[in-house]
Amino acid sequence: DTAVSQTPKYLVTQMGNDKSIKCEQNLGHDTMYWYKQDSKKFLKIMFSYNNKELIINETVPNRFSPKSPDKAHLNLHINSLELGDSAVYFCASSQDLETVNTEAFFGQGTRLTVV
Amino acid sequence: AQTVTQSQPEMSVQEAETVTLSCTYDTSESDYYLFWYKQPPSRQMILVIRQEAYKQQNATENRFSVNFQKAAKSFSLKISDSQLGDAAMYFCAYRSPPKGGSEKLVFGKGTKLTVNP
Repeated sequence: DTAVSQTPKYLVTQMGNDKSIKCEQNLGHDTMYWYKQDSKKFLKIMFSYNNKELIINETVPNRFSPKSPDKAHLNLHINSLELGDSAVYFCASSQDLETVNTEAFFGQGTRLTVV
Repeated sequence: AQTVTQSQPEMSVQEAETVTLSCTYDTSESDYYLFWYKQPPSRQMILVIRQEAYKQQNATENRFSVNFQKAAKSFSLKISDSQLGDAAMYFCAYRSPPKGGSEKLVFGKGTKLTVNP
């Protein structure tokens, strides 16, 4: 059973297109995240949701729109894709209760290539 | 804002030997969590070890152990008896205590570890 699963694993698309990445977690966690890993392997938070509510929006262009239909799902929609959006996008989840494990569990990543 | 610094972009070690990866961080908080994640070529982010700042005892997981120096804001990872499968990018990460979803992970830039046979 995969704890955090993302689809697709690879995505190649042309500039200007709109695409979505889906993420689901079966851990019962309250909080989900999107991280971006650039070509130099640097990982940075983009968004976090807690029980379907947007908590963190880390100066990401508004072409990126996360959507959380329920606390087990957090999708990322990207409009008008640009070359600079090429990266690996990671979904993650964690439990935010003080007495519960606080590490984040990551999906396998989606490698987005914009051509 | 919290920052995490990994000063070694690359490290190498001979199989069966020991290597230490460095990490320093900056924060004004007294309560927080520190992690080491491993990212092999498969891209999967795998938790190696975690440390709660309120615990003085250094965390240990089999061949992996940390040297946590809270006053110096240092959190190094020691890998003993290195194996070929340990070759990967290693990321040090900082996290604030749980605050309803606002507790993001802040990552260092990573250290690429090569294990030589």
